[in-house]
Amino acid sequence: QKEVEQDPGPLSVPEGAIVSLNCTYSNSAFQYFMWYRQYSRKGPELLMYTYSSGNKEDGRFTAQVDKSSKYISLFIRDSQPSDSATYLCARFGGTSYGKLTFGQGTILTVHP
Amino acid sequence: DGGITQSPKYLFRKEGQNVTLSCEQNLNHDAMYWYRQDPGQGLRLIYYSQIVNDFQKGDIAEGYSVSREKKESFPLTVTSAQKNPTAFYLCASSVTGTSGESSYNEQFFGPGTRLTVL
Repeated sequence: QKEVEQDPGPLSVPEGAIVSLNCTYSNSAFQYFMWYRQYSRKGPELLMYTYSSGNKEDGRFTAQVDKSSKYISLFIRDSQPSDSATYLCARFGGTSYGKLTFGQGTILTVHP
Repeated sequence: DGGITQSPKYLFRKEGQNVTLSCEQNLNHDAMYWYRQDPGQGLRLIYYSQIVNDFQKGDIAEGYSVSREKKESFPLTVTSAQKNPTAFYLCASSVTGTSGESSYNEQFFGPGTRLTVL
């Protein structure tokens, strides 16, 4: 079992839809969780990071962590064609050198 | 502008050749990382360095080498021993810190180098 599992999609939605992207993890020692967005042929950029259970909101994006079920989610409201990208979840387990473990990434397409 | 640069953007290599990928950052970050990205596999850690003149193997270090002679630079050499080098290579640097009793790591990525073996 991979430490972080992510449905690779692809996921295709119409403009304006609410998008739900999800990851599961297997190690309870995980502390911080992050969502990166990666446009085609570009480096990933950090969207949000969150610690502990609950929600964190930033504009149209909401990150949710459920530590009891080891489930992390990213919601995108009012999705736009510019949101079309690969979304990567990652966890930081608090080790001294700061290793991030990434999911496989979900390819999202928002069509007009 | 502060950031991470990688060069070249595209690189072609013949089998049996060593090639070096450049990574430079002006963010004053102590830690730097090299990842490899293959379709459907996310990012996998090759090497990391927490401080100048020190580096450690990641999960898939075989066939790769690095150096960290300057804080700003962390070049990656893909050697002929790497059996399947065609991939997208990403360099990152990070800020670490603490929030309450927890530590965190925020990594910033460069634009990547796409290496193709001919």
